[in-house]
Amino acid sequence: AQSVTQLDSHVSVSEGTPVLLRCNYSSSYSPSLFWYVQHPNKGLQLLLKYTSAATLVKGINGFEAEFKKSETSFHLTKPSAHMSDAAEYFCVVSEGFSGGYNKLIFGAGTRLAVHP
Amino acid sequence: EPEVTQTPSHQVTQMGQEVILRCVPISNHLYFYWYRQILGQKVEFLVSFYNNEISEKSEIFDDQFSVERPDGSNFTLKIRSTKLEDSAMYFCASSGRADGELFFGEGSRLTVL
Repeated sequence: AQSVTQLDSHVSVSEGTPVLLRCNYSSSYSPSLFWYVQHPNKGLQLLLKYTSAATLVKGINGFEAEFKKSETSFHLTKPSAHMSDAAEYFCVVSEGFSGGYNKLIFGAGTRLAVHP
Repeated sequence: EPEVTQTPSHQVTQMGQEVILRCVPISNHLYFYWYRQILGQKVEFLVSFYNNEISEKSEIFDDQFSVERPDGSNFTLKIRSTKLEDSAMYFCASSGRADGELFFGEGSRLTVL
């Protein structure tokens, strides 16, 4: 069965410094992987998705993630953090049919704090 | 921008009471989902719904739970007799395609006393 592990429950960075949120996945076949973000009192918003095309995926708000099969990782990065990036981030794998979203398996989440 | 809306944002109920959580998916979407997140735990899949029937459900989604699309716009989750362990944030999501992006609502927080 598919699963994801987010290696940090909390990450704290200064504004303008790089962001790295780590995620490892477990999947018996080629997975579809996603990062979702949840700002306080808001719904879950899709940041980016990997569905077996390019291994480096660019998302919204300057975020990107690289799929590394050899390391079973899908880490989320951003070159320069902004105060508005403070939120909870979820790494997600799809357990649905190939390439599909149908049933999503969420990681535990990483809370990103950004300090001035 | 179209969005998924959920009501109520917060509901407090007594154990054993019935609860209905309501969702208005994006208007041209055909695939509907419920997920939940118990405080401190992961977001979990509950059920997916298409063409007026459940397409998949998790082990959590037992006989106490039901979903319905009573009209062309609403999608509801009913918990027949709430338990303390049903306390959670419930997220509705919709999608335009089976393999399309899920758009989530802001969640309904259910507290069972």
